[in-house]
Amino acid sequence: LAKTTQPISMDSYEGQEVNITCSHNNIATNDYITWYQQFPSQGPRFIIQGYKTKVTNEVASLFIPADRKSSTLSLPRVSLSDTAVYYCLVGDMTPSGGYQKVTFGTGTKLQVIP
Amino acid sequence: DGGITQSPKYLFRKEGQNVTLSCEQNLNHDAMYWYRQDPGQGLRLIYYSQIVNDFQKGDIAEGYSVSREKKESFPLTVTSAQKNPTAFYLCASSYPGFEQFFGPGTRLTVL
Repeated sequence: LAKTTQPISMDSYEGQEVNITCSHNNIATNDYITWYQQFPSQGPRFIIQGYKTKVTNEVASLFIPADRKSSTLSLPRVSLSDTAVYYCLVGDMTPSGGYQKVTFGTGTKLQVIP
Repeated sequence: DGGITQSPKYLFRKEGQNVTLSCEQNLNHDAMYWYRQDPGQGLRLIYYSQIVNDFQKGDIAEGYSVSREKKESFPLTVTSAQKNPTAFYLCASSYPGFEQFFGPGTRLTVL
C-alpha cells in the first residue's frame, strides 16, 4: 500500500485559501487519492476523491499532477469551523484491490485563526 | 434517515472484563470496519467485513473479536486479552471500493 506524507500541522487565517499537500511517491496505477476531515471526538467525514488532474465539489478541490506522486487539497476561504484534522489516503478502490485496508496516517491538523 | 450508529457513546470497563461495542447501519452497505484511535493519532484498522458471515483481521486484531451475522450489524468485542483497550473506537461502512461512512464513535475507558 502506498505510504503518504503530510505536514503535521498548519495555521491559517479566516477567509484565506488553504492548500494541504500530500506526498505519495509509490502510488500504484489503480490507486485513488481520498481525503477525509475529522473533528475532535467524531468520526472522519469524506471530503473528496480523485484519480488524476483536478476534481472539485461544493467544499473543496483536489489537484493531482500528471505523475500522481503528490496531491493538494484546496479549501477555499476557510472559516473557524474548518479547524480539524485532514487525512490523505491512497489505495486501490476496486472491489478486489484491497480498498478495505487503506490506512489513515496521523493527518494534518489545521487550525483556523480569527 | 440513513446512517450508521454506535452505542454506547461512553463505556467504562473494569480490567479483566469483556465488553461489546455495537455498530448498526441502514445504508445497505456490504462492507463494514472497526478502527481504533488513540489520542493525537490516526485510525488503525482492527477488523473489516466485506459480506455477511465473513470478516478479516486488520492491523491490530489481537485482543478483539467480531461477528457479522446480519448485513446491518458488526459488533466488536474487546476481550480481556487486549492489554491497553482505553481508546476511541470508530465503526464505518461502505459500498465496495467507495468512501467510508463513519459512526459517532464509542469512547472506552478501562478503570
